[in-house]
Amino acid sequence: GENVEQHPSTLSVQEGDSAVIKCTYSDSASNYFPWYKQELGKGPQLIIDIRSNVGEKKDQRIAVTLNKTAKHFSLHITETQPEDSAVYFCAASGEKLTFGTGTRLTIIP
Amino acid sequence: EAGVAQSPRYKIIEKRQSVAFWCNPISGHATLYWYQQILGQGPKLLIQFQNNGVVDDSQLPKDRFSAERLKGVDSTLKIQPAKLEDSAVYLCASSFSRELGAFFGQGTRLTVV
Repeated sequence: GENVEQHPSTLSVQEGDSAVIKCTYSDSASNYFPWYKQELGKGPQLIIDIRSNVGEKKDQRIAVTLNKTAKHFSLHITETQPEDSAVYFCAASGEKLTFGTGTRLTIIP
Repeated sequence: EAGVAQSPRYKIIEKRQSVAFWCNPISGHATLYWYQQILGQGPKLLIQFQNNGVVDDSQLPKDRFSAERLKGVDSTLKIQPAKLEDSAVYLCASSFSRELGAFFGQGTRLTVV
């Protein structure tokens, strides 16, 4: 089955700086890669996604990149703000949606 | 558009008791998922429905967990009997199709004592 690895597990960034979270996946059949943000006591919220026929996608301060050959995909957050503090999960979807282990992002004011 | 509704929000039970969780997906979403999220970990898929049929239940502990999706809309997840290690947040999610993003409910936090 699919295996998704996510790094780093924790990340502290000064407000205004950029944050990068990286994931790798194992199943070459996976073709859809969403990213979720989870705040304390809430369910994961879909923030951006990318399909295997696209290399990069951007939505305001958030961007995702995908390297199908290397089976890598990354989340980039620019101009970080305190409200970006949360746990972020990557996921890969082929037959089923498999999540990474999460990254706790802390934005330091 | 209403989101995914789950109830109850919290549940505390003793080990060996039974418990049931309810999920109402977003209207029109054919795919429904139940995930288990243990504190500090990513969500783990328990079961995936496409309409009222099971697509994947390979990680569902079938000796104690069961799930159904009546009429392809609402779903219930049951645990009987519960074990201490079942303490977790149970998340329900739905999507228009499995090739599209899944939207999650708030989850049910289960504590087994």
